[in-house]
Amino acid sequence: GAVVSQHPSWVICKSGTSVKIECRSLDFQATTMFWYRQFPKQSLMLMATSNEGSKATYEQGVEKDKFLINHASLTLSTLTVTSAHPEDSSFYICSARGGIDWNTIYFGEGSWLTVV
Amino acid sequence: AQSVTQPDIHITVSEGASLELRCNYSYGATPYLFWYVQSPGQGLQLLLKYFSGDTLVQGIKGFEAEFKRSQSSFNLRKPSVHWSDAAEYFCAVVNTDKLIFGTGTRLQVFP
Repeated sequence: GAVVSQHPSWVICKSGTSVKIECRSLDFQATTMFWYRQFPKQSLMLMATSNEGSKATYEQGVEKDKFLINHASLTLSTLTVTSAHPEDSSFYICSARGGIDWNTIYFGEGSWLTVV
Repeated sequence: AQSVTQPDIHITVSEGASLELRCNYSYGATPYLFWYVQSPGQGLQLLLKYFSGDTLVQGIKGFEAEFKRSQSSFNLRKPSVHWSDAAEYFCAVVNTDKLIFGTGTRLQVFP
């Protein structure tokens, strides 16, 4: 199946700094990428949808100035958490749709963010 | 809007026993339905999906799911559970271009 890779797998940053998480589709072109946030023992919450070359569409309640999403190419989307605070600590997962099976969405391995 | 409900938060079974995880959806037309599995601290792996056609769908790791329109359900089944199946299972439905998840069912397997 299609492979989606996230980097880094885990990151620790100081409060007030910014951190970037990358999401890459390794063997297909992802026309659409999605970013989710997952709190411990909870389901995934969709944060935003990004289409290559256009601005991301954010879900209600998600601060677009805090969670910057860039989808510069068909294989790369980035999520930047700006001015991170401890409450931003979470598991962030990206997913991508594209390739031969357009209707199937493939997920990255996730990135653990801890803000101290 | 489409939504999906997983009534069981936590299920415990013995190794070798059969398993059924429930999923109910709300949507007027034929939905696109998925089951994903997540091991602790990991991303999500696609188990199986239903778009149309045969209502009994076979997936990886010996899992299958049956789409029942009359019951608005897409339950996941496995005839004999292995200890390695212990994980969190998510049912999901496509809603206007987005994947919406249920709250998940945590499966615990006892030897």
